Amino acid sequence: AQTVTQSQPEMSVQEAETVTLSCTYDTSESDYYLFWYKQPPSRQMILVIRQEAYKQQNATENRFSVNFQKAAKSFSLKISDSQLGDAAMYFCAYRSRAAGKSTFGDGTTLTVKP
Amino acid sequence: KAGVTQTPRYLIKTRGQQVTLSCSPISGHRSVSWYQQTPGQGLQFLFEYFSETQRNKGNFPGRFSGRQFSNSRSEMNVSTLELGDSALYLCASSLAAPLVAGELFFGEGSRLTVL
Repeated sequence: AQTVTQSQPEMSVQEAETVTLSCTYDTSESDYYLFWYKQPPSRQMILVIRQEAYKQQNATENRFSVNFQKAAKSFSLKISDSQLGDAAMYFCAYRSRAAGKSTFGDGTTLTVKP
Repeated sequence: KAGVTQTPRYLIKTRGQQVTLSCSPISGHRSVSWYQQTPGQGLQFLFEYFSETQRNKGNFPGRFSGRQFSNSRSEMNVSTLELGDSALYLCASSLAAPLVAGELFFGEGSRLTVL
């Protein structure tokens, strides 16, 4: 079974600075997808960024980028120029292409200090 | 386009009762999955439905069940409620069919408190 580990329960960053959230996963599959989702306090969870395992190029969405290391099974999220609105819980998720089931990490709570 | 709608948003039950939660996916989405979110256990996968068929099931006891209707709306039921069932239950819909991964669109959740 796949597992997703987020080793940082809490992180904090100064506004306008850069922060990196860590995620590692364990799988024997070669074809899968990885996601970062954001859950602001008392609000809906939304997708931040997605990475297909077969793509070597790291995904980027504006201030959000990932460092995908397939061999190391690592998928970290970098947030540049952090904003107060980035404060949320961030979940790393793995989705098997074959099984279709999504597995989430325990989440990292990000605090942004003004 | 309306988002994922979950009802009820909040509910309080007592031990031994049962509860039914409802989820209306985004129009056109045929895949619906359910998750239990608790502070101590994070986000735990319950089950996933596609075209009225359960495609995947998480490691939850048989007290947790679900179904999907022909219009893709889904319900989950928890029978014989226990204190530990208190949680935020999240529903997510996706355009993705099995074998195709897609973004999950989440509802706001149903917060269940068991007394």
